[in-house]
Amino acid sequence: SAVISQKPSRDICQRGTSLTIQCQVDSQVTMMFWYRQQPGQSLTLIATANQGSEATYESGFVIDKFPISRPNLTFSTLTVSNMSPEDSSIYLCSVTGTGPFPGHYGYTFGSGTRLTVV
Amino acid sequence: GEDVEQSLFLSVREGDSSVINCTYTDSSSTYLYWYKQEPGAGLQLLTYIFSNMDMKQDQRLTVLLNKKDKHLSLRIADTQTGDSAIYFCAEQPGEGNDMRFGAGTRLTVKP
Repeated sequence: SAVISQKPSRDICQRGTSLTIQCQVDSQVTMMFWYRQQPGQSLTLIATANQGSEATYESGFVIDKFPISRPNLTFSTLTVSNMSPEDSSIYLCSVTGTGPFPGHYGYTFGSGTRLTVV
Repeated sequence: GEDVEQSLFLSVREGDSSVINCTYTDSSSTYLYWYKQEPGAGLQLLTYIFSNMDMKQDQRLTVLLNKKDKHLSLRIADTQTGDSAIYFCAEQPGEGNDMRFGAGTRLTVKP
């Protein structure tokens, strides 16, 4: 299965600033996703990163707040803009592709970026 | 219900069996997953089960699926302190479709 490198692993940011999170995959993948995991909660899909076109955002998430780039099939970035303390979460990159089980097409997750906004 | 539901906490003693339960939402979900999240780490796929299966065993892990009740469980035999983590149940209606996650069950294993 794909190996994902996500950077930074954690950051503490000032209110009103922006942070860009990078997701690098060791192989070409069809689909890349960005998730948010708020403290004590489950994962929520932010958007699907589309190669060569605008990302597809889920309800409640907008491009101005979470701009996403995907210049090729192995790399994507998520920017958290104009941050407030409510943006403090873990942000995870995920990809689909052939999984660790024969015949399975599944999801692999990065190790996440733990963001704290002060 | 609208959400994938899991109890939030489970505490067991080392060597005992752990059973983590999940109720999912979509009777047509094709794939059901269990992920493990250790502190400071991302999600690790533990195991999965297809909707046409009732049970799947993989070493210390046993997954049971009750499609009628939309109930999924994960049993960890001979639980070890290294099993302490958050376990997420997830459903996926079909390949390429969005996954829906439960809130996660925090498993604590006491020596």
